[in-house]
Amino acid sequence: QKEVEQDPGPLSVPEGAIVSLNCTYSNSAFQYFMWYRQYSRKGPELLMYTYSSGNKEDGRFTAQVDKSSKYISLFIRDSQPSDSATYLCATPLQGAQKLVFGQGTRLTINP
Amino acid sequence: GAVVSQHPSWVICKSGTSVKIECRSLDFQATTMFWYRQFPKQSLMLMATSNEGSKATYEQGVEKDKFLINHASLTLSTLTVTSAHPEDSSFYICSAKDLAGAKNIQYFGAGTRLSVL
Repeated sequence: QKEVEQDPGPLSVPEGAIVSLNCTYSNSAFQYFMWYRQYSRKGPELLMYTYSSGNKEDGRFTAQVDKSSKYISLFIRDSQPSDSATYLCATPLQGAQKLVFGQGTRLTINP
Repeated sequence: GAVVSQHPSWVICKSGTSVKIECRSLDFQATTMFWYRQFPKQSLMLMATSNEGSKATYEQGVEKDKFLINHASLTLSTLTVTSAHPEDSSFYICSAKDLAGAKNIQYFGAGTRLSVL
């Protein structure tokens, strides 16, 4: 079982829709979670960083962590074509400096 | 803040030559930097962890003599692909951890596309 699982998609939705992106993880010791956005042929850009269970909101983006289910989500409201990218969830590997990434979900917002 | 600059963004070289890629943290200090490789439509694959003033730690299967990493200052790490061959063609991305920032967050450079002819 992979430490972080993420549906690679692709996911295609119309402009203005609410997008839900999800990851599951296997190790209950994971504490910190990040969401990165990666445009084609660019490096990942940090979108959200969460520590505890619950919701964290930043503009149109909401990150949600459910530690009891080992489930993390990223919601995008009022989606725009400029949101079309690959979204990666990540968490620090316990006892190490490196991050464990999900496979990434390719999202396309259609005008 | 938290800007990581990576240079060059795209390089084409002949087989057998060496290529150096630079990664700089512009507005913060980074004792730890990371080098990744990414194939099309795949997630990032960690190659090595670079610590300032010490030898890099390479992931299993990554050739140390092929991918030379130097982290000589708190703001600069370099990756040199030695004797490059077409199979080394890929997208290479660096990241850096902010020494004073939130725990375990990595900030990424824009990536370098390497094409070996």
